[in-house]
Amino acid sequence: KAGVTQTPRYLIKTRGQQVTLSCSPISGHRSVSWYQQTPGQGLQFLFEYFSETQRNKGNFPGRFSGRQFSNSRSEMNVSTLELGDSALYLCASRRVLAGPDTQYFGPGTRLTVL
Amino acid sequence: AQSVTQLDSQVPVFEEAPVELRCNYSSSVSVYLFWYVQYPNQGLQLLLKYLSGSTLVKGINGFEAEFNKSQTSFHLRKPSVHISDTAEYFCAVSEKTSYDKVIFGPGTSLSVIP
Repeated sequence: KAGVTQTPRYLIKTRGQQVTLSCSPISGHRSVSWYQQTPGQGLQFLFEYFSETQRNKGNFPGRFSGRQFSNSRSEMNVSTLELGDSALYLCASRRVLAGPDTQYFGPGTRLTVL
Repeated sequence: AQSVTQLDSQVPVFEEAPVELRCNYSSSVSVYLFWYVQYPNQGLQLLLKYLSGSTLVKGINGFEAEFNKSQTSFHLRKPSVHISDTAEYFCAVSEKTSYDKVIFGPGTSLSVIP
């Protein structure tokens, strides 16, 4: 079974631009969560999507948004990029059982903002 | 609000020596606990998780962790480390009442010295 895939793996943008990252979950997984990983802040939860609806949201500004499609694939968008948005963006998928099931992480998209 | 503390940001250890990575959490309700490992340029992989029952949890790659409710700790141990264990280790917690939202600790970088 294929794992979680994220595209692109690396991205370089300049301040003020916008960016869209993509995440394809494991087949059969209905939930996708997004995390931002930086050396200073560690792993921070951005949001979670389930059945095309945002179910949970972390403490990030409105410049960070996302969506989920009917096939469970998810995209994350960051508008008006700032230098501090440089990070590894990880997505994780899970099946969604009646209880805490395992999250499976993708390899991440490394975003560099110049 | 829940939080996770990993007291050691870096842990160097010689090959075949034992290691303990410390994790403490803060929460006003019952929790689920997790340890994840991140190898260079990869996403996170679940090592083990505590949901209920026995407080000693065994995971992959010879790791185990013990849940101590009175000390609100979930320390990770391995009796004999290998070079391939060099990685970043993350402790994470989710509340049983809202297990969709997982909070990660800042991580501990384990370096195994040959």
